[in-house]
Amino acid sequence: GQQLNQSPQSMFIQEGEDVSMNCTSSSIFNTWLWYKQDPGEGPVLLIALYKAGELTSNGRLTAQFGITRKDSFLNISASIPSDVGIYFCAGQLRNSGNTPLVFGKGTRLSVIA
Amino acid sequence: DTEVTQTPKHLVMGMTNKKSLKCEQHMGHRAMYWYKQKAKKPPELMFVYSYEKLSINESVPSRFSPECPNSSLLNLHLHALQPEDSALYLCASSRDRGPGAEAFFGQGTRLTVV
Repeated sequence: GQQLNQSPQSMFIQEGEDVSMNCTSSSIFNTWLWYKQDPGEGPVLLIALYKAGELTSNGRLTAQFGITRKDSFLNISASIPSDVGIYFCAGQLRNSGNTPLVFGKGTRLSVIA
Repeated sequence: DTEVTQTPKHLVMGMTNKKSLKCEQHMGHRAMYWYKQKAKKPPELMFVYSYEKLSINESVPSRFSPECPNSSLLNLHLHALQPEDSALYLCASSRDRGPGAEAFFGQGTRLTVV
């Protein structure tokens, strides 16, 4: 089956620092998505990317769809305590609503105040 | 409105019980999903419904029975579950196709089987 390699697995950073995480795949994806999940809650969509090379921002978050369509990164600038959580990348092979998402294993972010 | 509502939020059931999880969305999405998530793991796909028809069943045991009564509702009927079925069950929905077919998730139902 498809797999996404997400790194790092976990990060401990100081408040105010910038964060970077990425996902790579051996397959080409048409859509890359980044989600954040708090404990006991469902994943919340942060950024959706649809075109190779696309760079999209959402507040302090910036994500890019790699040119090869096999990778994506997420940056968080000036981290704050509420950024704590698990960040998942997800890819979709086709732009079809019933095409299941392939998830990375997640990056667990801890922010030290 | 990008809300997917799941009920109940928490559920404890015995191995001989029958219970149902419910999911509702009013975004006009025609694809709906059930995922199972164990602690510290990514969501794992169980079922996909497209236009109220089951399109994907990821080899899920028959003790889990999905149902899509209409385009806004998705149920998951549970019967004779095992303790290892304890997990966070997530419902999601998305548009049927094209850019913007990203999935929106509900808050999940935390299921404990005793």
